Amino acid sequence: DGGITQSPKYLFRKEGQNVTLSCEQNLNHDAMYWYRQDPGQGLRLIYYSQIVNDFQKGDIAEGYSVSREKKESFPLTVTSAQKNPTAFYLCASSIPGSGSPLHFGNGTRLTVT
Amino acid sequence: ILNVEQSPQSLHVQEGDSTNFTCSFPSSNFYALHWYRWETAKSPEALFVMTLNGDEKKKGRISATLNTKEGYSYLYIKGSQPEDSATYLCAPWDSNYQLIWGAGTKLIIKP
Repeated sequence: DGGITQSPKYLFRKEGQNVTLSCEQNLNHDAMYWYRQDPGQGLRLIYYSQIVNDFQKGDIAEGYSVSREKKESFPLTVTSAQKNPTAFYLCASSIPGSGSPLHFGNGTRLTVT
Repeated sequence: ILNVEQSPQSLHVQEGDSTNFTCSFPSSNFYALHWYRWETAKSPEALFVMTLNGDEKKKGRISATLNTKEGYSYLYIKGSQPEDSATYLCAPWDSNYQLIWGAGTKLIIKP
């Protein structure tokens, strides 16, 4: 079955440590996205990639980094520079374009103490 | 950046009743509007992608309409069932090639 996999489901880190969230898809989608969800707010875009070896900052990219070395994979690193890293992170993929629906992973809940 | 509003924020509906809720967005530079259903402990699932003014789409008991001139979309659920309990998200596509998400309407169906 085609799908998008995020791991791990829960992640705990100490303040000051970098942490990498995994996102893999086998849907053959060119576009991939990372969103952050905080209570009472809409999903906010961190980074997106329309094609391999290219990615763009979203609205809240500060303190995050990504890579897109393979079509299937779009890992997100939460660096120690991110001031409020505790959140729920969702990865998605799609065929590029406004008319294509996003397919989402199940998310990773990151807690930094 | 677009400002997207969904109302109400939450809604309790008796099983069997029909219901609807609203997504409002700026009407200029419209490209597309997405609706998603997000059930607890699952990932968001696409319901509809709407592009034309006056569009009406249907999936089982759920339907949606789109008015791009006045900047709103309605989502309707006919004969609500417990499995309809979820948060419903709308997101217009903006000129920066990204979706801008509303905070969602949380629907709870009471048996």
